[in-house]
Amino acid sequence: AQTVTQSQPEMSVQEAETVTLSCTYDTSESDYYLFWYKQPPSRQMILVIRQEAYKQQNATENRFSVNFQKAAKSFSLKISDSQLGDAAMYFCAYKDSGYALNFGKGTSLLVTP
Amino acid sequence: NAGVTQTPKFQVLKTGQSMTLQCAQDMNHEYMSWYRQDPGMGLRLIHYSVGAGITDQGEVPNGYNVSRSTTEDFPLRLLSAAPSQTSVYFCASRSGFYSNQPQHFGDGTRLSIL
Repeated sequence: AQTVTQSQPEMSVQEAETVTLSCTYDTSESDYYLFWYKQPPSRQMILVIRQEAYKQQNATENRFSVNFQKAAKSFSLKISDSQLGDAAMYFCAYKDSGYALNFGKGTSLLVTP
Repeated sequence: NAGVTQTPKFQVLKTGQSMTLQCAQDMNHEYMSWYRQDPGMGLRLIHYSVGAGITDQGEVPNGYNVSRSTTEDFPLRLLSAAPSQTSVYFCASRSGFYSNQPQHFGDGTRLSIL
């Protein structure tokens, strides 16, 4: 299985500030997809943002954006204007032409008032 | 619009007991899968199915069985529960086998094995 690495087990950000969560992956494929999922304390898995590797433009969804560096195999998530409701576990995930969605170990984000 | 429904939400078992975790989806998705989530480990794939009658193993299949008799249902069976199987289990479905569509997850089952 492809390796997805999230090097920050925990991160903290103040309300209204910006935070970036890191993700790197290992693959020999040229065509693949990358995802960020949010898991709040309710345990639900919520899709935050998706990026197709063939697209050079970085994906954005409201306050969430990614910095996709294909050559560096890096896929970081930036959360702008952080809100208390953003506190959650965030998982980076990778999928190529195979069946599996491979997850990183997650980053726990704490948002302080 | 129910999406992916998992039952039960919580369960406590004794070592050696058997149990079936239920998963149903109402989106007519071909692909369904089971993950387990352990602290510090992320989500790891147990088994998956690409359609009725077709199942295969994922990364951590030992101790678990699955079957897929209908498109809608994909139960996960623990034949003889062990404490190492204490975990949170997620069922997920997706439209298409090789699809880039995002997976839809159930709300999870927290399983404790004593």
